[in-house]
Amino acid sequence: NAGVTQTPKFRVLKTGQSMTLLCAQDMNHEYMYWYRQDPGMGLRLIHYSVGEGTTAKGEVPDGYNVSRLKKQNFLLGLESAAPSQTSVYFCASSYSPVAGGTEQYFGPGTRLTVT
Amino acid sequence: AQTVTQSQPEMSVQEAETVTLSCTYDTSESDYYLFWYKQPPSRQMILVIRQEAYKQQNATENRFSVNFQKAAKSFSLKISDSQLGDAAMYFCATGGSQGNLIFGKGTKLSVKP
Repeated sequence: NAGVTQTPKFRVLKTGQSMTLLCAQDMNHEYMYWYRQDPGMGLRLIHYSVGEGTTAKGEVPDGYNVSRLKKQNFLLGLESAAPSQTSVYFCASSYSPVAGGTEQYFGPGTRLTVT
Repeated sequence: AQTVTQSQPEMSVQEAETVTLSCTYDTSESDYYLFWYKQPPSRQMILVIRQEAYKQQNATENRFSVNFQKAAKSFSLKISDSQLGDAAMYFCATGGSQGNLIFGKGTKLSVKP
């Protein structure tokens, strides 16, 4: 049982390049989330999904796209990377909404630097 | 909209002593949960403790306990018998309307030997 995994763990991009971050969970969770963490800030929601084939915008969605073609995978794409997207990205999953007290499980994070 | 405020960017405690981390929040929900997450240098987010708002009894998990003051919208974390492994960033959070967590900015805890 690997929990939530993220690929890659580190990446350096040049401005304008594109990339995809992969999140995978093996807990059969319906809900999946992408957050970003910047220095001095807590984690902020980028996009989320409440089930296979669904996606929705979070607090800071600009510059990102997501897809959830399979229940266990949630992909985060950067079409044209900008220095403002330098951050640590976390994927998380849960069985149901955390507002009901459900624990949210996090991946180990991806450190992305855009130069 | 829900908000979470942590007013202590950094705290320090002597090993074996007790420390309290502060958190205030605002929510329009009548029923909600509050959480404390720990983020050690490894970056892994770890759930420390959770509290149901409609339960008056404060949650406890081993050396970790909370002081939940619903009327004051306060949710502090007390760590007893602090250990070197407790050194980390601690985030207070509540559930958002999108099923997500709403986080405070965090408190960096240092533990002195």
